[in-house]
Amino acid sequence: SAVISQKPSRDICQRGTSLTIQCQVDSQVTMMFWYRQQPGQSLTLIATANQGSEATYESGFVIDKFPISRPNLTFSTLTVSNMSPEDSSIYLCSASQGADTQYFGPGTRLTVL
Amino acid sequence: SQELEQSPQSLIVQEGKNLTINCTSSKTLYGLYWYKQKYGEGLIFLMMLQKGGEEKSHEKITAKLDEKKQQSSLHITASQPSHAGIYLCGAVRNSGGSNYKLTFGKGTLLTVNP
Repeated sequence: SAVISQKPSRDICQRGTSLTIQCQVDSQVTMMFWYRQQPGQSLTLIATANQGSEATYESGFVIDKFPISRPNLTFSTLTVSNMSPEDSSIYLCSASQGADTQYFGPGTRLTVL
Repeated sequence: SQELEQSPQSLIVQEGKNLTINCTSSKTLYGLYWYKQKYGEGLIFLMMLQKGGEEKSHEKITAKLDEKKQQSSLHITASQPSHAGIYLCGAVRNSGGSNYKLTFGKGTLLTVNP
């Protein structure tokens, strides 16, 4: 199984600022994903982070708001840009080897004031 | 409507009791994951089911995927306070080629009273 870490674990930010969340996997994986979990809600997929190319975004999510990098097979970042209180959520990174089991990181709890 | 419907939305049981959580899909499933989430934390992988009729167990938790691959159930035997949390089912969807993604149900909040 893959062990996934995320930094920061939590943050409180002012509206209009940006926050970059890091996701590190302990082994090389083909697939990495970013999810958002709004208060009291289930997980919603933001995008698939593609190594060496632009991320694939789900409907309702755009690159300008959620730029994603994936420079190699073990690391990815998600930036939440120009934040508003509606962006307050838990952001989760996950990873899998192809269609194998998808493992999740511990999440980043973001509060925007 | 939701692709994945979980029931019940919440459940309170007395320690030692058995319980079942259901997950129903509006589409045929390539695969079905069960995860557990403690409040405000990441997801802990429990089990993945792929074949119709498949059943898997881990400690006191058993999950089944029905023959038609559109419904799964998670059963906990002799529940303990450590079982408390949010149980999420996730459906595997093919997003093109060899790429797969998960869509999740809304979760079932389980409380186990000592």
